[in-house]
Amino acid sequence: DIQMTQSPSSLSASVGDTITITCRASQSISHYVTWYQHKPGRAPNLLIYAASSLHSGVPSRFSGSGSGTHFTLTISGLQPEDFAIYYCQQSSHIPYTFGQGTKLEIK
Amino acid sequence: VQVVESGGGFVQPGGSLRLSCAASGFDVGSSYVSWVRQAPGRGLEWVSLIYAGGTTYYSGSVEGRFTISRDTSKNTVYLQMSSLTVEDTAMYFCARDARIVGATLDSWGRGTLITVSS
Repeated sequence: DIQMTQSPSSLSASVGDTITITCRASQSISHYVTWYQHKPGRAPNLLIYAASSLHSGVPSRFSGSGSGTHFTLTISGLQPEDFAIYYCQQSSHIPYTFGQGTKLEIK
Repeated sequence: VQVVESGGGFVQPGGSLRLSCAASGFDVGSSYVSWVRQAPGRGLEWVSLIYAGGTTYYSGSVEGRFTISRDTSKNTVYLQMSSLTVEDTAMYFCARDARIVGATLDSWGRGTLITVSS
């Protein structure tokens, strides 16, 4: 199975900050990475697909980049509603696997 | 587009349970649908997928114990779970996979909770 190693596991930041979350794949997965936002008790939300394509309706402060084994999610100008848990997922090979998540907290 | 999970509850180890994922706004018979779970205090874990053509896939941890299927007349996807263990305790989410590029889970339910305990 492909392992997705996400870092950091937690992050404290302030409203207005810019943050970056990294996901590394255990083998090359081209651009088959998707990023999700999850708030406790709610359904997860799709943010980015194909490593860098912004899903419809997602604010432009969210961006993704990368290919091969190294991927990043950047949030530019954090808003209060952005504090949540973020996951990457690879869909290059079944079983599809998620990173362990990054908990973004308010400083 | 909306999916709503149901069927969760309390079950003893070794028991069985069937989860339902009722879809609206899209046709399950021509769509990809995945099940994803989240154990208490843990992250998301992909569980199973049914392709539009009917092919099914599973994670190694549930292969041979779980079966994904669909009923197009009810526009519902199911996850039949058997030989349950305490490690299967989790919130189970159903999600439509829009397949834009690879897995693109664009519509998720709020989940249904399974507790496996003696």
